[in-house]
Amino acid sequence: EPEVTQTPSHQVTQMGQEVILRCVPISNHLYFYWYRQILGQKVEFLVSFYNNEISEKSEIFDDQFSVERPDGSNFTLKIRSTKLEDSAMYFCASNGDKGSNQPQHFGDGTRLSIL
Amino acid sequence: QKEVEQNSGPLSVPEGAIASLNCTYSDRVSQSFFWYRQYSGKSPELIMSIYSNGDKEDGRFTAQLNKASQYVSLLIRDSQPSDSATYLCAVNAGYGQNFVFGPGTRLSVLP
Repeated sequence: EPEVTQTPSHQVTQMGQEVILRCVPISNHLYFYWYRQILGQKVEFLVSFYNNEISEKSEIFDDQFSVERPDGSNFTLKIRSTKLEDSAMYFCASNGDKGSNQPQHFGDGTRLSIL
Repeated sequence: QKEVEQNSGPLSVPEGAIASLNCTYSDRVSQSFFWYRQYSGKSPELIMSIYSNGDKEDGRFTAQLNKASQYVSLLIRDSQPSDSATYLCAVNAGYGQNFVFGPGTRLSVLP
């Protein structure tokens, strides 16, 4: 069964440094998402991406965040200058071979630890 | 602000019993509803989707949707210890819009 893959599984970064989280969505999907989950809290939407542009973003997704689809397979989330409160699990998801209201399939996540 | 509410639990049921998980949502125009299971430290895993009022069954799982009451539920029959996890309700508020997740209900199935 096709999967969403994320790398790395764990990223440790000093506060203030830039970090890039990588995702390979399911190949025939058209909508891509990033979510985060702070330890013990709920899954929070960050951003959705369709047709090579951001379609929706939350209040969390401020100027420090950016997303990119640099080629036909990868989907990246960049945090420009990390803060301690960015420490969380970051999940990439995709859907939409039949529409954006179809179930989203999640990757295994990247655990981001900011020191 | 679109909200999805769930009882946080923990909900404890004995092995073999029926577990009943509930979810309410605030946005009346919501169209698509999903249940995900999340084991500790893992990613959400899709269990079921439901789009129309009524019941939808898949194996031991039954999802129920009542749009008039803005209520979704998940029943797990013959609960197993391996069902012990956090169950997330997710709502898609409309075509092209993102999913909103509830805080999850922690289920514990006791052997």
